[in-house]
Amino acid sequence: KAGVTQTPRYLIKTRGQQVTLSCSPISGHRSVSWYQQTPGQGLQFLFEYFSETQRNKGNFPGRFSGRQFSNSRSEMNVSTLELGDSALYLCASSQRANTEAFFGQGTRLTVV
Amino acid sequence: DAKTTQPTSMDCAEGRAANLPCNHSTISGNEYVYWYRQIHSQGPQYIIHGLKNNETNEMASLIITEDRKSSTLILPHATLRDTAVYYCIVRAGGSQGNLIFGKGTKLSVKP
Repeated sequence: KAGVTQTPRYLIKTRGQQVTLSCSPISGHRSVSWYQQTPGQGLQFLFEYFSETQRNKGNFPGRFSGRQFSNSRSEMNVSTLELGDSALYLCASSQRANTEAFFGQGTRLTVV
Repeated sequence: DAKTTQPTSMDCAEGRAANLPCNHSTISGNEYVYWYRQIHSQGPQYIIHGLKNNETNEMASLIITEDRKSSTLILPHATLRDTAVYYCIVRAGGSQGNLIFGKGTKLSVKP
């Protein structure tokens, strides 16, 4: 069974631009969560989607948004990029919201 | 805020058992204990979880104390590839899915 796939793996963007990251969950998994990892703040929860609905959101500004499609694939978008948005963005999928989550390899975003 | 306390770092000799402790003194009756690990620059990897009974799978064993205020993750025969940051997380069953990661324990397995 294929794991969680995140694309692209690496990305370089300029301040002020916007970016869209993609996550394909494990087949049959309906819950997708997004996390940001930085050296200073560690792993922080961004948001979770289940059956195309956002069920939970972390403490991030409105520049961070996401969505989930009917096939459970998810995208997250960051607008007006700041240098501090440079991070590893991780996606995790699970069958349901309260079962073990499986993570992808992440997208490394660098904002210059 | 993370509800768990873990040592910052630990060393273990290759081939020996690695015992990683976790304190979760404020755990509620419906909260599970989850363990994940993260090898450098990779996504976290699920290891094991439990509610109150001890659990074992092909990767590790989880020992939860009777009062559920602490637990220990046991890697029975540590290898160099087990070098990673190990995260202990408590999470309510039926919760909305977000995992709250603390700083974890950096386990170094040495030859």
